[in-house]
Amino acid sequence: GENVEQHPSTLSVQEGDSAVIKCTYSDSASNYFPWYKQELGKGPQLIIDIRSNVGEKKDQRIAVTLNKTAKHFSLHITETQPEDSAVYFCAASFSTGANSKLTFGKGITLSVRP
Amino acid sequence: KAGVTQTPRYLIKTRGQQVTLSCSPISGHRSVSWYQQTPGQGLQFLFEYFSETQRNKGNFPGRFSGRQFSNSRSEMNVSTLELGDSALYLCASSLVAQGAGGYTFGSGTRLTVV
Repeated sequence: GENVEQHPSTLSVQEGDSAVIKCTYSDSASNYFPWYKQELGKGPQLIIDIRSNVGEKKDQRIAVTLNKTAKHFSLHITETQPEDSAVYFCAASFSTGANSKLTFGKGITLSVRP
Repeated sequence: KAGVTQTPRYLIKTRGQQVTLSCSPISGHRSVSWYQQTPGQGLQFLFEYFSETQRNKGNFPGRFSGRQFSNSRSEMNVSTLELGDSALYLCASSLVAQGAGGYTFGSGTRLTVV
C-alpha cells in the first residue's frame, strides 16, 4: 500500500520567513495530494491540494509543488505569520478504484517565532 | 453551511467496555471516513462508508466497526476497549468517495480508556 513520509518532523521559522515542508510517497499510481493544517483542539483543515496532472498550484501565501518522477511534493508558505503555527499533514491517494484511500504522513509541527 | 459534527467531544471509558461515536457529515456529502489519531502513529485510516456501504477498511481489529444510515450519518463502535484505543477519533466527510475532492474533518472525539 501507499506510504507517505514527511520531513522534518518539526520546523521553526522566524515570522516573515518562508517555510518548506516536504513529503515523499511510494505508490506511483497516486494522483491526488492534499495538505491539511491542524490547530490545537480542532480537526485537520484542507488548505491546498494538487493533482498529478499539475506541477504547481498557488493560493495566496501558500503553494504546493509536485515532482512525480521523484515521488515527492512540497508545501511552501511565504511571509509566515504566528497564526501559521500548527501541525501540517500531507496525504496521497489514487482517487479511483474500489480500494483507494487517503494515506497521511505523520505530520510536522511548524512554529513561527514572532 | 454546517460543518461535520462529531459527538461526544470527550469520552472516558473503562477497559473492556464498548463505545459508540457519532458523526453527522455536511449536508449532501455521501462519503464518511473515520481516522484514529495518536501522537506516535499520526492519522490511521479506519474505514469509509459511501451510500450506506463500507467501501474500504484499514488495518484495525474486528473490535472496530461502523455503519452509515440513509441520511449519511455514521457511527463507529469499539468493543472490548483496550488502553491502546485511547486516541482522537476523527470523522471526515466528502462529496465523492475517498475525499478525492477534499475531506472536511470534524473536531473529533477524544476517547480515553482507563
